[in-house]
Amino acid sequence: ETGVTQSPTHLIKTRGQQVTLRCSSQSGHNTVSWYQQALGQGPQFIFQYYREEENGRGNFPPRFSGLQFPNYSSELNVNALELDDSALYLCASSLYYREQYFGPGTRLTVT
Amino acid sequence: AQTVTQSQPEMSVQEAETVTLSCTYDTSESDYYLFWYKQPPSRQMILVIRQEAYKQQNATENRFSVNFQKAAKSFSLKISDSQLGDAAMYFCAYSPQGGSEKLVFGKGTKLTVNP
Repeated sequence: ETGVTQSPTHLIKTRGQQVTLRCSSQSGHNTVSWYQQALGQGPQFIFQYYREEENGRGNFPPRFSGLQFPNYSSELNVNALELDDSALYLCASSLYYREQYFGPGTRLTVT
Repeated sequence: AQTVTQSQPEMSVQEAETVTLSCTYDTSESDYYLFWYKQPPSRQMILVIRQEAYKQQNATENRFSVNFQKAAKSFSLKISDSQLGDAAMYFCAYSPQGGSEKLVFGKGTKLTVNP
């Protein structure tokens, strides 16, 4: 059974640029959630996708957007990057109404 | 809004000893789920244990057990026979549903295990 994978592992972007992060869910899981973890903090919920539809959103601006594909993999897009967007971005997959399993994360640095 | 508080930024324990990490939460819901996740330096968040609020019996997973006090909104994690591999950040988390709804995390407790 393949676990949750994320790509890239880390990347560096310049303020104002756009970035796309990718997540492959665990086999059989139909729900994907994204979290932002700033240094020294707990993860903060960005949004969740269930069967390709957004199924809840945290307190993040519209420049954070996402997609879920028919194979349940997902993308997180961030436009107009700001310095405060520097963080570890975590993807988690689950079956609906079951616990979430996390990927290894993507470390984003905005300079 | 639900909140999760971990009042111990750092804890340390001797190898083979027992340590308890504290967590309190605030919610107006009667049905919910609580979790402890472990995040080692590799960054991957690993589920340690899960507790359903409607169950009075405390969850256990091998050396890990919880003390769930619903009225006090307290959810502590006990690690017995601590091992070097237990060293990590530990996060307490709340979810209003089965766990697939958004997780609300505390700020974490850094656990050091001394040989």
